Amino acid sequence: EIVLTQSPGTLSLSPGDRATLSCRTSQSLTSNSLAWYQHKPGQAPRLLIYGASSRAAGIPDRFSGSGSGTDFSLTISRLEPEDFAVYYCQQSGTSPYAFGQGTKLEIK
Amino acid sequence: EVQLLESGGGLVQPGGSLRLSCAASGFTFKNYAMNWVRQAPGKGLEWVSGISGIGTATRYPDSVKGRFTVSRDNSRNTLYLQMDSLRAEDTATYFCAKDQGNWNYVFDFWGQGTLATVSA
Repeated sequence: EIVLTQSPGTLSLSPGDRATLSCRTSQSLTSNSLAWYQHKPGQAPRLLIYGASSRAAGIPDRFSGSGSGTDFSLTISRLEPEDFAVYYCQQSGTSPYAFGQGTKLEIK
Repeated sequence: EVQLLESGGGLVQPGGSLRLSCAASGFTFKNYAMNWVRQAPGKGLEWVSGISGIGTATRYPDSVKGRFTVSRDNSRNTLYLQMDSLRAEDTATYFCAKDQGNWNYVFDFWGQGTLATVSA
């Protein structure tokens, strides 16, 4: 079973700042099968990135994903007020299709 | 516009059963695998089942295998999750999630969830 570890647990930044979130997997992922989701309380989660670096439809270009093997990152170039939320990484290559524990991005 | 609307959550005693439903619209339902993902209170996300587009293949993690059964009715554009032998640790908000394709386990649309509470 592949375990995903996200860091930091909480990230405190201001609008306009650059955010970098990390996701490390316990095994190397096939085909860079890593996705990122944004989740706000009471709402449906939202797919941001799949295949480690491909933006989902309708996602602003301030969101970008990178990485390979076991180390991946999500970067938000300039934070907007609506970007403060919890972010999860997920591996989609091997069952069970696990998520990381999440990074909470909060307003400083 | 893709819409997924879950229903069927509620309070059930340990050992009991619950059946969740997810009504889908805005896309050709039979062409996509579908999944259930849950979130326990204050916790992260956990994938709990997947089913192929035509419903002939299913997958589960060990935590629910043998207790949960996923199914679908493509004539009604509806996904189901039958949950039996429920435990306190199954208490969670359950989301249905559309697969980006057929079995690529990238979840491109989600519902808002339905809460299942297992308690005496």
